Amino acid sequence: EAGVTQSPTHLIKTRGQQATLRCSPISGHTSVYWYQQALGLGLQFLLWYDEGEERNRGNFPPRFSGRQFPNYSSELNVNALELEDSALYLCASSFRSQPQHFGDGTRLSIL
Amino acid sequence: QKEVEQNSGPLSVPEGAIASLNCTYSDRGSQSFFWYRQYSGKSPELIMSIYSNGDKEDGRFTAQLNKASQYVSLLIRDSQPSDSATYLCAVSLAGGGADGLTFGKGTHLIIQP
Repeated sequence: EAGVTQSPTHLIKTRGQQATLRCSPISGHTSVYWYQQALGLGLQFLLWYDEGEERNRGNFPPRFSGRQFPNYSSELNVNALELEDSALYLCASSFRSQPQHFGDGTRLSIL
Repeated sequence: QKEVEQNSGPLSVPEGAIASLNCTYSDRGSQSFFWYRQYSGKSPELIMSIYSNGDKEDGRFTAQLNKASQYVSLLIRDSQPSDSATYLCAVSLAGGGADGLTFGKGTHLIIQP
């Protein structure tokens, strides 16, 4: 069974640009979660999508947004990139109340 | 604000010994508790989940939960060098972490051969 897949593996952007990160959940999983893991800050919850709807949001500004498609895959968009957005962005998926499983992440570097 | 606290370590344990990792959380309404293992440069891997007070065992791993004390622990028996990693404690108000997980910053575990 394929795990959670994320693309791209690495992404390099400059300040002010927009970044789009993609995630495909484990087959059968309907929920997708996005987390940011910045150096020294630990894993922080960003967004939760379930059945195509945004269900919950962490303490991040509105320039962090996303969506979930009918096939349950998801995109995370980060607008007006800032230097402190440099981090590993992890996607996780789950089915209903089962535990979350993580993908390998996208390393976003802002120059 | 929900908080999860872990000792950052490093925690150094001899091979074959028991490693004990601890975690406290601030929100009494928390319902679901998880331990993830993260190797350097890799993504977190689910080790254990626990939802009710007491112990839950899975192979060499035992998770312990005490909701009254707001305390979760992970014991690793017969520690192996391959257990060397950062262990992340995660907590959720909902079952399975459906509302999003709150993570501690992790404990760096080193198993000495």
